[in-house]
Amino acid sequence: EPEVTQTPSHQVTQMGQEVILRCVPISNHLYFYWYRQILGQKVEFLVSFYNNEISEKSEIFDDQFSVERPDGSNFTLKIRSTKLEDSAMYFCASSELGNQPQHFGDGTRLSIL
Amino acid sequence: GQQLNQSPQSMFIQEGEDVSMNCTSSSIFNTWLWYKQDPGEGPVLLIALYKAGELTSNGRLTAQFGITRKDSFLNISASIPSDVGIYFCAGRDNTNAGKSTFGDGTTLTVKP
Repeated sequence: EPEVTQTPSHQVTQMGQEVILRCVPISNHLYFYWYRQILGQKVEFLVSFYNNEISEKSEIFDDQFSVERPDGSNFTLKIRSTKLEDSAMYFCASSELGNQPQHFGDGTRLSIL
Repeated sequence: GQQLNQSPQSMFIQEGEDVSMNCTSSSIFNTWLWYKQDPGEGPVLLIALYKAGELTSNGRLTAQFGITRKDSFLNISASIPSDVGIYFCAGRDNTNAGKSTFGDGTTLTVKP
């Protein structure tokens, strides 16, 4: 069964550094998402992306965050100047259409030191 | 913003018992989803519900989309040890480009 893949599985970064999290959505899916899950808490929406632009973003997704689809297969989340509170699991998800269920990758665990 | 109240927060049950968990919302959703998350992994979709009143099964799992569109429940029958994990409900409305709002999760422990 096709799946969403994310790399790296674990990223350790110094506070203030930039980090890029990478995702390869399911190939025929058109909608892409990033979610965040702080340890022990619920999954929180960050941003949705369709047709090469952001469809919606949450209040968490401030100016330090950006997303990009640099080619036909990758979808990236960049955090420009990381803070301690950015430490979390970051999940990429994709769906075939906007009203179809989202399929999640296994996440990247981001640890900010 | 939209918020989901999921209960119970945790459950400790004996293998073979049935389990029930539910989610309620202050606002209407057009889609209800139930996911299971194992440690170190992403949420895996269990059941998707699209219509008010809809009752859908997936093996030992049954979920219903409440008539008011503000609630949903998930039942697991005859639980087994591999049912252990965190179960999340998620609601979506069609106005928000597919964004899912997640509940706080129900942690299920099954004792053999």
